[in-house]
Amino acid sequence: AQKITQTQPGMFVQEKEAVTLDCTYDTSDPSYGLFWYKQPSSGEMIFLIYQGSYDQQNATEGRYSLNFQKARKSANLVISASQLGDSAMYFCAMREGTGYSSASKIIFGSGTRLSIRP
Amino acid sequence: DTEVTQTPKHLVMGMTNKKSLKCEQHMGHRAMYWYKQKAKKPPELMFVYSYEKLSINESVPSRFSPECPNSSLLNLHLHALQPEDSALYLCASSHPSFGGQLSNQPQHFGDGTRLSIL
Repeated sequence: AQKITQTQPGMFVQEKEAVTLDCTYDTSDPSYGLFWYKQPSSGEMIFLIYQGSYDQQNATEGRYSLNFQKARKSANLVISASQLGDSAMYFCAMREGTGYSSASKIIFGSGTRLSIRP
Repeated sequence: DTEVTQTPKHLVMGMTNKKSLKCEQHMGHRAMYWYKQKAKKPPELMFVYSYEKLSINESVPSRFSPECPNSSLLNLHLHALQPEDSALYLCASSHPSFGGQLSNQPQHFGDGTRLSIL
């Protein structure tokens, strides 16, 4: 069984500061993928960044980077130079390896509510 | 604007009503998903369709009936719902995995339908 843990229910950060959102996972499958999603109060889930279990380098997408420590089974999201618009709920999610031509499911962590102070 | 469109955005219905939620995507994705999300909780997977066929049903009560008429459209038919079914219902789509390879494609979500059962 897979499990995603986000230990920070809420965080407050000053605008323009960097912030790290924690995520640890547990899986026995050697092939898996890790995702981070942002969910503003409007409800839409916005894909931010992806890290595959076999990727050699940490993923980066603009101001988002993923600090992937495979041995520790952690995949922390780093947001540089935070902005007021970054205030939202952030979910870490994992997908395990699947069979042929099949849709796979992803499991979400409990989320971290990030609030950016002006 | 998201590339996955859900209608309606809000729905209020009585426990004896029959209604349907609609989801449409034109990204060429062949996997589509329904999630249920309660307030301050992560999304919970309900159904997965792969190539228009139901591939995963997460033991959802029969008062929820999914339908995938074609590769772009996903419906969720609702009948005799309970007050505890009030939630945000999210639709998502993605490329499915191929040939045993783990897909790095994210799921793209719609804005959701906020459902209230009276």
